[in-house]
Amino acid sequence: DTEVTQTPKHLVMGMTNKKSLKCEQHMGHRAMYWYKQKAKKPPELMFVYSYEKLSINESVPSRFSPECPNSSLLNLHLHALQPEDSALYLCASSRETGNTEAFFGQGTRLTVV
Amino acid sequence: ELKVEQNPLFLSMQEGKNYTIYCNYSTTSDRLYWYRQDPGKSLESLFVLLSNGAVKQEGRLMASLDTKARLSTLHITAAVHDLSATYFCAVSGYSTLTFGKGTMLLVSP
Repeated sequence: DTEVTQTPKHLVMGMTNKKSLKCEQHMGHRAMYWYKQKAKKPPELMFVYSYEKLSINESVPSRFSPECPNSSLLNLHLHALQPEDSALYLCASSRETGNTEAFFGQGTRLTVV
Repeated sequence: ELKVEQNPLFLSMQEGKNYTIYCNYSTTSDRLYWYRQDPGKSLESLFVLLSNGAVKQEGRLMASLDTKARLSTLHITAAVHDLSATYFCAVSGYSTLTFGKGTMLLVSP
């Protein structure tokens, strides 16, 4: 099983809403990542978790709050987002951080209205 | 800071033609990845290149890695419309991947 599963696939939320994106993998990977991708741009790294601990936060605004409840799950909690936060949010996992192949989920298409 | 440059950023080609996409990177790394992305979709892993001189082929795509020159190429042979997509190279850094800007490939009859 080389699958990373993200839910939901699509999400429309208002600027005052609170929502969460979920990511799950069962490959025994100990590194998990959140990326944000705008149209016609490469993915931008947001957060890295290594062994369930946050190891990298790329100066992401606090309206995005990651959580890693266990080694298979990664959440991204969203609150008071802005329309410019509309993007494709990609989750990825790898065996370890650094030189190991990353597997990407199908993404959540987020629209903030 | 690791920098990854891809060129061209946009490539329009006719079916049946050959072309090469280039990926240069700025610091030492011995792992390079090529991904394909269709519009609105996620990243699909195409190739993992692990060492200097590595060459991998899948169908009409062939990727190579020269770590001394810090250069990878993705060669397209006899392009077909189904290859139309955006192609990203990505290089392993200390903890994460650094992506190139992507090459949008459009193959037309």
